[in-house]
Amino acid sequence: EADIYQTPRYLVIGTGKKITLECSQTMGHDKMYWYQQDPGMELHLIHYSYGVNSTEKGDLSSESTVSRIRTEHFPLTLESARPSHTSQYLCASSESASGRAAAEQYFGPGTRLTVT
Amino acid sequence: KNQVEQSPQSLIILEGKNCTLQCNYTVSPFSNLRWYKQDTGRGPVSLTIMTFSENTKSNGRYTATLDADTKQSSLHITASQLSDSASYICVVSDRGSTLGRLYFGRGTQLTVWP
Repeated sequence: EADIYQTPRYLVIGTGKKITLECSQTMGHDKMYWYQQDPGMELHLIHYSYGVNSTEKGDLSSESTVSRIRTEHFPLTLESARPSHTSQYLCASSESASGRAAAEQYFGPGTRLTVT
Repeated sequence: KNQVEQSPQSLIILEGKNCTLQCNYTVSPFSNLRWYKQDTGRGPVSLTIMTFSENTKSNGRYTATLDADTKQSSLHITASQLSDSASYICVVSDRGSTLGRLYFGRGTQLTVWP
């Protein structure tokens, strides 16, 4: 089991609320990622970080924002939740690989978000 | 366009039987290919990883193959168990960027019946 944690595991919240999904890893990995996954669909990268104070948007446009103040912590925030944000959010981390080969990504258990 | 296609979309087999899942990809330049197992409500867990020069990799009852020429991979599960019920995701990474971008298939949903 990878040492990467996400809280909460499940969240049901009303439209317009501000929410923060937490992700922490204890492996000292520089790179961290947020993915969005709908049932039966592939994972889509929405944010990533190369290290502290580094954040980038991924392939899928998202209204969420992220921060990376500490190596081990990569929270995702939605300022005003909407029903279209209902999805599963997966956090992952990896070492900085040498060369251009992609390093192994370790995934957290995910947060299932439902916005009513 | 970099894509990963998996088949079948879903599969039901009886406990103890073998099965093979397929993955075709168009990702270029190719770096490596991974198979992940994702239990319902959980994050994906890596089963195997293969680079360009490897054409087979085993992990217990899981055996993955890779044909880099035809850009195809398969995951063979031997003597299936109830705990094998999960989604199996093929993931291909490129070596064209420092991020090492991952391209995910939609997965094959495997159900093992007793």
